Amino acid sequence: TQLLEQSPQFLSIQEGENLTVYCNSSSVFSSLQWYRQEPGEGPVLLVTVVTGGEVKKLKRLTFQFGDARKDSSLHITAAQPGDTGLYLCAGENGNNRLAFGKGNQVVVIP
Amino acid sequence: SQTIHQWPATLVQPVGSPLSLECTVEGTSNPNLYWYRQAAGRGLQLLFYSVGIGQISSEVPQNLSASRPQDRQFILSSKKLLLSDSGFYLCAWCPIGVGEKLFFGSGTQLSVL
Repeated sequence: TQLLEQSPQFLSIQEGENLTVYCNSSSVFSSLQWYRQEPGEGPVLLVTVVTGGEVKKLKRLTFQFGDARKDSSLHITAAQPGDTGLYLCAGENGNNRLAFGKGNQVVVIP
Repeated sequence: SQTIHQWPATLVQPVGSPLSLECTVEGTSNPNLYWYRQAAGRGLQLLFYSVGIGQISSEVPQNLSASRPQDRQFILSSKKLLLSDSGFYLCAWCPIGVGEKLFFGSGTQLSVL
């Protein structure tokens, strides 16, 4: 079983601040995905990163895949209350199964 | 466009009662289908996945079963619920041939009392 460790588990910040959350593993993944989940809803796919060192931007969200394809980070610039949610990373190892982390719970206070 | 429907949204069942959760996908054919359970603080656990009608793979031994009677229908069942079956159940689909990009339903919050 490939474990994805997400840190911090919980993060509360003021609106306008920046934040970074992390997804780490000892395993190599062929791709890694980030999802955002709101209470009582299913996760929604934000981005997929495939190449080691890849950086993708989605408005104020910046996703980076580690050079060794074992870890990833999500940076949010000037956080807004709408960014509040559980951010889940999931790694694909090539056998058509995704391994999910436990998530980073982000709360942005207005 | 493709949509996924999952119901009911909330369910309260007594211990020992049966369970049937249904999930349907529209706007696509031959999708991969998945059932996940999400317990508080434990992330998403894959329960079952299916690559076609009647083809079910179980990831963990448990009190649950899954069936795929039609191409776009996925059912999660139990004959007798246990307290430990409580949780948030999510159905998801993935287009074949594009890697594992999951599209989730809105989930069912199951409370077994």
